[in-house]
Amino acid sequence: NAGVTQTPKFQVLKTGQSMTLQCAQDMNHEYMSWYRQDPGMGLRLIHYSVGAGITDQGEVPNGYNVSRSTTEDFPLRLLSAAPSQTSVYFCASSSPRQGLAKNIQYFGAGTRLSVL
Amino acid sequence: RKEVEQDPGPFNVPEGATVAFNCTYSNSASQSFFWYRQDCRKEPKLLMSVYSSGNEDGRFTAQLNRASQYISLLIRDSKLSDSATYLCAVNIGTNAGKSTFGDGTTLTVKP
Repeated sequence: NAGVTQTPKFQVLKTGQSMTLQCAQDMNHEYMSWYRQDPGMGLRLIHYSVGAGITDQGEVPNGYNVSRSTTEDFPLRLLSAAPSQTSVYFCASSSPRQGLAKNIQYFGAGTRLSVL
Repeated sequence: RKEVEQDPGPFNVPEGATVAFNCTYSNSASQSFFWYRQDCRKEPKLLMSVYSSGNEDGRFTAQLNRASQYISLLIRDSKLSDSATYLCAVNIGTNAGKSTFGDGTTLTVKP
């Protein structure tokens, strides 16, 4: 029962490098989201998607791109990494349909990113 | 003002104590409400959904007050294993993918 899988678990980048954080879910959920969590703070929404081919910006989208070509996958791209993007990144999926599980967010284990 | 605000804590309580957390939200169009638990350096996991009529799951009780726009979480007979950060989350409308989270309240239960 994989749920939401994120890779890599850890990453160190140099300023200006680009990379893609991978996220995949096997629950056939329509909705997927990316959050970042800085120390001592809650989760802030970066981008989200309500279905394949549809994405929208969250609270803190600058410096990040997303695409949703399939229901299962929702990669997050850092275009030119900056130290301010040092954070823990969580991917989540949810569904508007599933009875008592409606709208519940299921999270991946996170990617810990350091930008030097 | 943040859309979702929580008591910052930390809450340090002895085993067996009862502790309550509050979370206020600013958007009256909010539809869905949740409490998540987050252990240190781990992902958040659902603790409870919060229903209009209030709901209970063992030692945990969640309540919603729409008039005053807050939700609460009550933990009775605290256990050492309850030590964690508790995040409240609010969804506006039917967009399940767009949750707004509070900054979390840290609970430490001591022997």
